[in-house]
Amino acid sequence: DQQVKQNSPSLSVQEGRISILNCDYTNSMFDYFLWYKKYPAEGPTFLISISSIKDKNEDGRFTVFLNKSAKHLSLHIVPSQPGDSAVYFCASQTGANSKLTFGKGITLSVRP
Amino acid sequence: NAGVTQTPKFRILKIGQSMTLQCTQDMNHNYMYWYRQDPGMGLKLIYYSVGAGITDKGEVPNGYNVSRSTTEDFPLRLELAAPSQTSVYFCASSPRSTEAFFGQGTRLTVV
Repeated sequence: DQQVKQNSPSLSVQEGRISILNCDYTNSMFDYFLWYKKYPAEGPTFLISISSIKDKNEDGRFTVFLNKSAKHLSLHIVPSQPGDSAVYFCASQTGANSKLTFGKGITLSVRP
Repeated sequence: NAGVTQTPKFRILKIGQSMTLQCTQDMNHNYMYWYRQDPGMGLKLIYYSVGAGITDKGEVPNGYNVSRSTTEDFPLRLELAAPSQTSVYFCASSPRSTEAFFGQGTRLTVV
C-alpha cells in the first residue's frame, strides 16, 4: 500500500526549460511535504518543503505547489540546469514528530 | 563539517554472517534514522530513534537491531544476513522529524 506515489519514473527536459515533477498521496492526515534530491553514490539531500497550511513555497529556482483537495503536489524547477539531473524523492509526514514516508523517486535528466 | 558519517561504504557478506553498520553524527541531533533503498524503490524506514536510549521500529525492522547509547551514534546490526537484505542503507539525523540529513550510504551485498 503505497501512500506516496511518484508515478512517472523518469523525466527528460531541455536545459533552460521548466521541469515539473509530480507526486500524489493517499493519506489525508499528511500535513508536511518535502522534496529530496539524490545524486548517484550519495545520500539524499533536502531540497524544499511545504506545510499543508500553504499551497505554494518558493526557493530560488525551485517552487513546490500543494493541492490538498487533489492530494497532489508538484516541484517546479525553472530554468532547469544540467546539474539538476538527479533522482528526486517526494516525502510526506503526519504531525511534527512522525516518520517520513517516501515515494519511489523520479529520475530527472536535463539535456544541454 | 562531517555531518552524518557511515561506515563501511561497501560490504559483501555471506549468508548467515553478521555485521554492524556504523553511523555517527556531529550535529547534536536528537532524531536518527536507518533507511534501506532497493533498486527502483523509495526509502523504507528500518528503525528510528528520538533520543539517546530510545529506539522504535519502522516499516521493515525484521532481521535488524539498533541501539542508541549516545546522541552521536546509531549502529544498525544485521544478524544472520539473508540475500533479501542486499540493499543500500542510509543513516540520517535531524533536529526534529523533518528535513533529515543523510549519510552517503552503505552498499551491502549478501551472497
